[in-house]
Amino acid sequence: EVQLVESGGGLVQPGGSLRLSCAASGFTFSSYEMNWVRQAPGKGLEWVSYISSSGSTIYYADSVKGRFTISRDNAKNSLNLQMNSLRAEDTAIYYCARGFTEFDYWGQGTLVTVSS
Amino acid sequence: DIQLTQSPSFLSASVGDRVTITCRASQGISSYLAWYQQKPGKAPKLLIYAASTLQSGVPSRFSGSGSGTEFTLTISSLQPEDFATYYCQQLDSYPLTFGGGTKVEIK
Repeated sequence: EVQLVESGGGLVQPGGSLRLSCAASGFTFSSYEMNWVRQAPGKGLEWVSYISSSGSTIYYADSVKGRFTISRDNAKNSLNLQMNSLRAEDTAIYYCARGFTEFDYWGQGTLVTVSS
Repeated sequence: DIQLTQSPSFLSASVGDRVTITCRASQGISSYLAWYQQKPGKAPKLLIYAASTLQSGVPSRFSGSGSGTEFTLTISSLQPEDFATYYCQQLDSYPLTFGGGTKVEIK
């Protein structure tokens, strides 16, 4: 069974940093592209970042470019999102999602709250 | 960036109704469009990909059509478990984008 489990969310002050992780199981992680998608409270979905299966190709939304860094460890079946210079508008549930032409599996999400 | 405009943003319908949701792209995206269903407190669930391909395990009352700039999601006979918010997503080019969502509520 495919499982994606996010962790690392929490309360952080504006300007602070947080590192999210997504533990993958039930499939050959190294063969799949991965993404982060977020959802602010009561709002719609926003794609955040993409990483290819090897990690060689990476894309970011303009809203996070230069502040967030996506990475993966295929040996540990793990996807990461390093978030720096956090702002109030980054407050959201962050989901990891598998796929390239569609997002077929999603984690349950981890809540990031940026507030003083 | 490619903008996706969903309509309507809110829809009130009864069990058994036929429901159609439209997603318009600001430029052509071929068939690189997916539809998701999201229920409160849950992660989105893939329904349709490549504009018209039904994801495994999704009931056949869901269907998708369209290409280029105009797409539709149709629920042929609305069931109680279908009351949720639906999103379209373009996967033609980065940055990937989602439509604003359509909330389907019970009439």
